[in-house]
Amino acid sequence: DAKTTQPTSMDCAEGRAANLPCNHSTISGNEYVYWYRQIHSQGPQYIIHGLKNNETNEMASLIITEDRKSSTLILPHATLRDTAVYYCIVRVPPSAGGTSYGKLTFGQGTILTVHP
Amino acid sequence: NAGVTQTPKFRILKIGQSMTLQCAQDMNHNYMYWYRQDPGMGLKLIYYSVGAGITDKGEVPNGYNVSRSTTEDFPLRLELAAPSQTSVYFCASSARGGEGGNTIYFGEGSWLTVV
Repeated sequence: DAKTTQPTSMDCAEGRAANLPCNHSTISGNEYVYWYRQIHSQGPQYIIHGLKNNETNEMASLIITEDRKSSTLILPHATLRDTAVYYCIVRVPPSAGGTSYGKLTFGQGTILTVHP
Repeated sequence: NAGVTQTPKFRILKIGQSMTLQCAQDMNHNYMYWYRQDPGMGLKLIYYSVGAGITDKGEVPNGYNVSRSTTEDFPLRLELAAPSQTSVYFCASSARGGEGGNTIYFGEGSWLTVV
């Protein structure tokens, strides 16, 4: 599985956009980029994922560079409840076969603090 | 739809005791995973299963055993508990097929303390 590099921590003002970067320079062609977050040691919560096109859902947007070596998670209007650890993960989905069996490999993540 | 359910939520064990953490999912997912998370750290994979009767080791399997007799259940067994196994344990599941990179769903965690 490809490794990811994220900043250790970031701050964001409430109501502003939070832009969380992630580097995954060794990503393979069949690996997806996933974002999860974890609040107060609860179970990780799925945010969004993508392969090569930009994606948007009700929680966030995911921007993946054309060479796929990096991506940015955007929370458009951060709230205090978005304070959490955000994990960027690359994953081969189970449907692709191989020996990774779709497992997620977690790094240290980025601690995002949203302040008033 | 309950998703992924873990029991118990909290447990204190004495050194040398054994116990089983239960995990059940009601989404008919083939893939199931057990992770542990030590304080201030990311999650590490203990064991995973790709279907009933098929399991394999992850990064940190020592001191644990698993079984998968049904699609729904994936219990994690701790034999001879040690203080190093004090951690939060998360169970997760994912569908196998389909395009678009299937999402992995996590349970709420089981807090285990070994004293």
